[in-house]
Amino acid sequence: GAVVSQHPSRVICKSGTSVKIECRSLDFQATTMFWYRQFPKQSLMLMATSNEGSKATYEQGVEKDKFLINHASLTLSTLTVTSAHPEDSSFYICSARGRQLNMVDEQYFGPGTRLTVT
Amino acid sequence: LAKTTQPISMDSYEGQEVNITCSHNNIATNDYITWYQQFPSQGPRFIIQGYKTKVTNEVASLFIPADRKSSTLSLPRVSLSDTAVYYCLVGDPTGGFKTIFGAGTRLFVKA
Repeated sequence: GAVVSQHPSRVICKSGTSVKIECRSLDFQATTMFWYRQFPKQSLMLMATSNEGSKATYEQGVEKDKFLINHASLTLSTLTVTSAHPEDSSFYICSARGRQLNMVDEQYFGPGTRLTVT
Repeated sequence: LAKTTQPISMDSYEGQEVNITCSHNNIATNDYITWYQQFPSQGPRFIIQGYKTKVTNEVASLFIPADRKSSTLSLPRVSLSDTAVYYCLVGDPTGGFKTIFGAGTRLFVKA
């Protein structure tokens, strides 16, 4: 199946700094990418939908100025957590849906990035 | 988006068949039903997807009754490694739906 990678897999940063997480579709072109956040023992929460070449659409309650999303190419989307605080510590997961995928939607997820803000 | 309801948790023993049912009473005509599996600290993994009746692949079967208001994921002969959270999602893949996750079902497989 299609592969989605994330980098880094784990990051620790100090409060007030910014962190960038990359999401790549390795063997298909992803016209749409999604970013999720997951706290321990909870389900995935959709943060934003990112379409290639256009601005991301954020879910209600997600600060777009804090979580900057860029989807500059068909294989790469980035999430930047700006001025990170300890409460931003979470597991961030991206997923991708591709242009040439068949009618049946198999949305592919990345392995996730564990962010710890100290 | 159709709301889904699943049991919060289930227990099973190795070698047993496990059936997890998901309710989606307001499923739309174009909606498909998709199941994902997630292990701790990993991204969700696609298991199976279907529209009606029965779908089977190498890891699971999906049963969907005629009214499509529910679906059942069937895992044959589970092993300890099947301990995970299973999510049922409903949406129109041709319409580029947003994948909104419900609470999922936490399956514990015991030896």
